[in-house]
Amino acid sequence: GQQLNQSPQSMFIQEGEDVSMNCTSSSIFNTWLWYKQDPGEGPVLLIALYKAGELTSNGRLTAQFGITRKDSFLNISASIPSDVGIYFCAGGPASGGYNKLIFGAGTRLAVHP
Amino acid sequence: EAQVTQNPRYLITVTGKKLTVTCSQNMNHEYMSWYRQDPGLGLRQIYYSMNVEVTDKGDVPEGYKVSRKEKRNFPLILESPSPNQTSLYFCASSPRTGLNQPQHFGDGTRLSIL
Repeated sequence: GQQLNQSPQSMFIQEGEDVSMNCTSSSIFNTWLWYKQDPGEGPVLLIALYKAGELTSNGRLTAQFGITRKDSFLNISASIPSDVGIYFCAGGPASGGYNKLIFGAGTRLAVHP
Repeated sequence: EAQVTQNPRYLITVTGKKLTVTCSQNMNHEYMSWYRQDPGLGLRQIYYSMNVEVTDKGDVPEGYKVSRKEKRNFPLILESPSPNQTSLYFCASSPRTGLNQPQHFGDGTRLSIL
């Protein structure tokens, strides 16, 4: 089936550093979503992207929908301890209509104070 | 408070003993979905429902059943659970069908099948 390759798998950074993670696919996607999951909780939507080339910010978070429609990245600026968690990309494949959502394996972020 | 509620949160059971995980949302959402989360694999969609009495298979439907008799409830049924269904399960809902609608997730149900 279709897959999303999310990297890196994990990151351990110092508070105040910027973070970048990305997702790539061999297939074209209509939608890219970025979620964050805190321990013991369900994922929470951070940013949604709907058009190729779209760049969207949410506070210290910025995400972009790649021009080729096969990738997306998420940047976190000036990280703080509460940024700790697992970040998932999710995409709506062009071939799956509007009901199918595929998730990446996640990037586990640890922030050292 | 708007929420998606799953029960139970944790369950340890044995192979072959039928179980049901309930999911209820209080937001009058049309779209509901079940995912399982396994290490290194992210979330994989099991089943989804676009409205009452309308359900369809996701990527990994084998061994699971669902029903949508009421808008607010979307139970996940394991008729004969097996150890490979040990996983963390999430229910999610969104106002309408379509990925331009943000999905609200429950807090998860951790199932262990011995």
